[in-house]
Amino acid sequence: SQKIEQNSEALNIQEGKTATLTCNYTNYSPAYLQWYRQDPGRGPVFLLLIRENEKEKRKERLKVTFDTTLKQSLFHITASQPADSATYLCALWTYNFNKFYFGSGTKLNVKP
Amino acid sequence: EAQVTQNPRYLITVTGKKLTVTCSQNMNHEYMSWYRQDPGLGLRQIYYSMNVEVTDKGDVPEGYKVSRKEKRNFPLILESPSPNQTSLYFCASSLKRGQNNSPLHFGNGTRLTVT
Repeated sequence: SQKIEQNSEALNIQEGKTATLTCNYTNYSPAYLQWYRQDPGRGPVFLLLIRENEKEKRKERLKVTFDTTLKQSLFHITASQPADSATYLCALWTYNFNKFYFGSGTKLNVKP
Repeated sequence: EAQVTQNPRYLITVTGKKLTVTCSQNMNHEYMSWYRQDPGLGLRQIYYSMNVEVTDKGDVPEGYKVSRKEKRNFPLILESPSPNQTSLYFCASSLKRGQNNSPLHFGNGTRLTVT
């Protein structure tokens, strides 16, 4: 089955810096990959989607890259703010199994 | 407001006492799903439904039941809860399963404790 790996250690950065989160996957190639934000006690909220034939996607301060050779997606938040502090989840959809697979998430702490 | 509503938010129960967690969405979504979230394990799918009267098992269906009699509702039933079902549960919906521009919309979760 598919395995999704995200860094389980929290990422601590200073306000204004760029945060970079990693999502690695094994086995079958995804049709597309999504990133979600989850705040404590709340459900995940969709942020960005990138398809298998796309290298990069941007939305305001967010950027996602997708390298199907490395089997990796990077999620960047530029000019980070304390309000960006949350847990970020990656999820991939694969036609092989026709379902979503979620990583366990990386907690981001942005210090003022 | 477009949303997925779960109830209750918190539930403490004892082993063997049947319970139901309700889920309702107001977006006319075809696809609905239940997940459980445990530390270090991420979100794991319990059951999903492609449309009314169509349900199927996810990765961890044991001990759970679901039904989809109406498009908007997708209740999760624990016939005989056990302590290993203590977890944070999320209901989610999307327009169509696997459609590229159709992300999952999640409810705010139900924290279940089984003693």
